Amino acid sequence: GAVVSQHPSWVICKSGTSVKIECRSLDFQATTMFWYRQFPKQSLMLMATSNEGSKATYEQGVEKDKFLINHASLTLSTLTVTSAHPEDSSFYICSARDSQGLITEAFFGQGTRLTVV
Amino acid sequence: GENVEQHPSTLSVQEGDSAVIKCTYSDSASNYFPWYKQELGKRPQLIIDIRSNVGEKKDQRIAVTLNKTAKHFSLHITETQPEDSAVYFCAAMTSGNNRLAFGKGNQVVVIP
Repeated sequence: GAVVSQHPSWVICKSGTSVKIECRSLDFQATTMFWYRQFPKQSLMLMATSNEGSKATYEQGVEKDKFLINHASLTLSTLTVTSAHPEDSSFYICSARDSQGLITEAFFGQGTRLTVV
Repeated sequence: GENVEQHPSTLSVQEGDSAVIKCTYSDSASNYFPWYKQELGKRPQLIIDIRSNVGEKKDQRIAVTLNKTAKHFSLHITETQPEDSAVYFCAAMTSGNNRLAFGKGNQVVVIP
């Protein structure tokens, strides 16, 4: 299957700082990317859906000013957690799909473990 | 938006028995239903998917059935093996809004 690479795999940051997470599709053009948050032993909570070249669509309850999403190219989407606080500590995972071709499957990145101290 | 419910939350089966996980969805316009398997500490991996124009799909020991009228779809794992132990997520997508929503996941434990 297609490969989605997420970076970094883990990050520790101080409270009040910002953290950027990158999600790259390595061998296909990802017209759509999804950002999820996953708490231990819980489901994947969809945070936002981003389409290349347009603004992300955020799910209800997700602060768009705190979780900035940029999908400037067909192979890269970034999630920036601004002014991070300990409650933002979580596992963030992206997935990407090529909605223009025959592939409709969403491929996942390996996830980013964020710890805010 | 689409709401996906998944039951049961935990399922224990004896090795060799079958496991069935059921999901329901709310948006009748949803037309793509994938199932993902997530092992501890790893990313979710697609194991099977089905589109709304098909009622059943099978891939070796794994099958998925879709009932559009009742708006539910199920994952069937036959001849379970210890390596089938994982969390399984169902999801639903509507091509119109391009949004992939997941159920809460099901912890499957295969007892040797």
